[in-house]
Amino acid sequence: DQQVKQNSPSLSVQEGRISILNCDYTNSMFDYFLWYKKYPAEGPTFLISISSIKDKNEDGRFTVFLNKSAKHLSLHIVPSQPGDSAVYFCAVKNSGGSNYKLTFGKGTLLTVNP
Amino acid sequence: EAGVTQFPSHSVIEKGQTVTLRCDPISGHDNLYWYRRVMGKEIKFLLHFVKESKQDESGMPNNRFLAERTGGTYSTLKVQPAELEDSGVYFCASSQGTDYGYTFGSGTRLTVV
Repeated sequence: DQQVKQNSPSLSVQEGRISILNCDYTNSMFDYFLWYKKYPAEGPTFLISISSIKDKNEDGRFTVFLNKSAKHLSLHIVPSQPGDSAVYFCAVKNSGGSNYKLTFGKGTLLTVNP
Repeated sequence: EAGVTQFPSHSVIEKGQTVTLRCDPISGHDNLYWYRRVMGKEIKFLLHFVKESKQDESGMPNNRFLAERTGGTYSTLKVQPAELEDSGVYFCASSQGTDYGYTFGSGTRLTVV
């Protein structure tokens, strides 16, 4: 039973436009949320995170939004660049429990077209 | 600073054989993790070491998998005997504390034929 769902396996956007990647989770005990980016033949690299005490965190072109009541988070990339093309994984953890363990979604393949 | 290094990058073995994957974490990182991604699925937690001690191996699929971290430095993950469903990409990660983010290695792609 998946605890973290990324319902869009893939997303294609035009360079310069906004990319929005979505993630839903089932367990309200999760209180720390992360996005990882993965290029082919490489490991996931940390991109941005947000704690449950916030609803928005911004880092340059990347913004993560958290809606706790809906158990939903999203990653916005503005403007999108061809180098952003990668698989994006949503990951969650419970900082009060097994705070070392990340639970991942299946990932969304983002393609940014020039 | 060198990153997390995994060896080999690819391994193709026959069903029933043994394979050992190696992970060298970032120097000074006490926490080491193994994760696995079976094709098209999510990246799943396998186990967590703090130094040489296994803190949590709840994600290990079965007793054909054995992880060690002698001396608290590098770690090995042995699969014996390998089955077809063991195919996937095995990622290792390390961190200083558990509140910190992980640094992942590039993974070992294991194919069992």
